Amino acid sequence: EPEVTQTPSHQVTQMGQEVILRCVPISNHLYFYWYRQILGQKVEFLVSFYNNEISEKSEIFDDQFSVERPDGSNFTLKIRSTKLEDSAMYFCASRLDRAKNIQYFGAGTRLSVL
Amino acid sequence: EDKVVQSPLSLVVHEGDTVTLNCSYEVTNFRSLLWYKQEKKAPTFLFMLTSSGIEKKSGRLSSILDKKELFSILNITATQTGDSAIYLCAALKTSYDKVIFGPGTSLSVIP
Repeated sequence: EPEVTQTPSHQVTQMGQEVILRCVPISNHLYFYWYRQILGQKVEFLVSFYNNEISEKSEIFDDQFSVERPDGSNFTLKIRSTKLEDSAMYFCASRLDRAKNIQYFGAGTRLSVL
Repeated sequence: EDKVVQSPLSLVVHEGDTVTLNCSYEVTNFRSLLWYKQEKKAPTFLFMLTSSGIEKKSGRLSSILDKKELFSILNITATQTGDSAIYLCAALKTSYDKVIFGPGTSLSVIP
C-alpha cells in the first residue's frame, strides 16, 4: 500500500542551526501538508502546499519556516534557525486531489533542539 | 477561533467493554469531520463524516456526525488491547486545506 515516508525519523540539532525535514508524499497526490505535535499536545497545522505554492499557513509558520518541492517527489520543511520550542514531532501528509479529502500521514520526524 | 474538543481525554477500560468517544467542534466553514487513530507515531485514518445522521462502520468501530449539535461520536465495541491508542478527531474546513485537530482521547484497554 502506498505510504508517505519521512526522513530522518529522529533529528537532533543545536539551537540556532538550520534543519531540513524530508517527506516523500504518495506518488500521485497533489496536496501536501506539514503538521507538528509538541509532546503531550495536540497536532497543529503548519502549512498546506499545492501547485508549487503555499495555499494556507498557520500563525506558527513564521519567517523561520519554509517549504519546498525541489523535484517531483520530495517535499521539505526547512527551519532556518531552530529554537528550543521547535522541538516536536513533525508530520507530513498528502492528499490525492480536491475531491478526495482524506489526508494520509507519514510516520513523523522527531526534532530535538538542544 | 476554530476549536475541536474531545472527551474524555483519557479512558481505561477492560477488554470486551464498549466505549464511546466524544468530539464537539466550533469551526467556521466546516466541511467534514475526520477520525484518526494514533498509536506510536503517524495518525492513521479511520472515518470521514460529511453528512449528518449517517453512521459509518468498520468492523467494531462506528461513527456518526450531528451537524446540528456540532458533535460526533466514535464507538468501539468489544474492545481489544490492540485498540489502545490516542483517537484524534479533526475538522476539515471547506477550503480543503486546513484540518483542525482536537487534543485526542487516550484509550487504554487492559486485559
